[in-house]
Amino acid sequence: AQSVTQLDSQVPVFEEAPVELRCNYSSSVSVYLFWYVQYPNQGLQLLLKYLSGSTLVKGINGFEAEFNKSQTSFHLRKPSVHISDTAEYFCAVSDPEGRDDKIIFGKGTRLHILP
Amino acid sequence: EAGVAQSPRYKIIEKRQSVAFWCNPISGHATLYWYQQILGQGPKLLIQFQNNGVVDDSQLPKDRFSAERLKGVDSTLKIQPAKLEDSAVYLCASSRRQGNEQYFGPGTRLTVT
Repeated sequence: AQSVTQLDSQVPVFEEAPVELRCNYSSSVSVYLFWYVQYPNQGLQLLLKYLSGSTLVKGINGFEAEFNKSQTSFHLRKPSVHISDTAEYFCAVSDPEGRDDKIIFGKGTRLHILP
Repeated sequence: EAGVAQSPRYKIIEKRQSVAFWCNPISGHATLYWYQQILGQGPKLLIQFQNNGVVDDSQLPKDRFSAERLKGVDSTLKIQPAKLEDSAVYLCASSRRQGNEQYFGPGTRLTVT
């Protein structure tokens, strides 16, 4: 079964500094990968997704992620964060070869933007 | 287009009581999901519907949880009786069909005392 590991439960970053949120997934022949963001008291919103093709995926709000098959990673990056990026970020994986489209979520990384 | 609607947004009940949550997916979305998100964890799928049929309910505690989507549109998730460990946010999501992007509602925060 697929699994996702988000190595950091919290990441503090100064405003306008770059940030990387780490995500590793269990190895599989093929995967779909996602990053979701959850603002306080709201549901999840899709930031970006990797289905196939280019390993560098660009998403909304200036975020991007790189699919690295050899390292089974899908780290999320932003070159300059803003206070409005304060939220919880979830990495997720699904198996395109599976019978259903079940998405397995990581435990989340809380991004704290420091003034 | 309107997003996924959920009600109520917040609910506080005592253990052993019953509670029901309602979800209205985006119009035209055939697939509907219920997730449980315990504080400090990622969402966990409870049940997935394709139209009015169940695709996956392997992680639904069937002794106390039930869900239905009788007309293939809106859905209800019920807990009876509730336990303290059921305190969580219950998220509903929908997608146009299986494999497509899932859109999430704002969730219902349940507190069991």
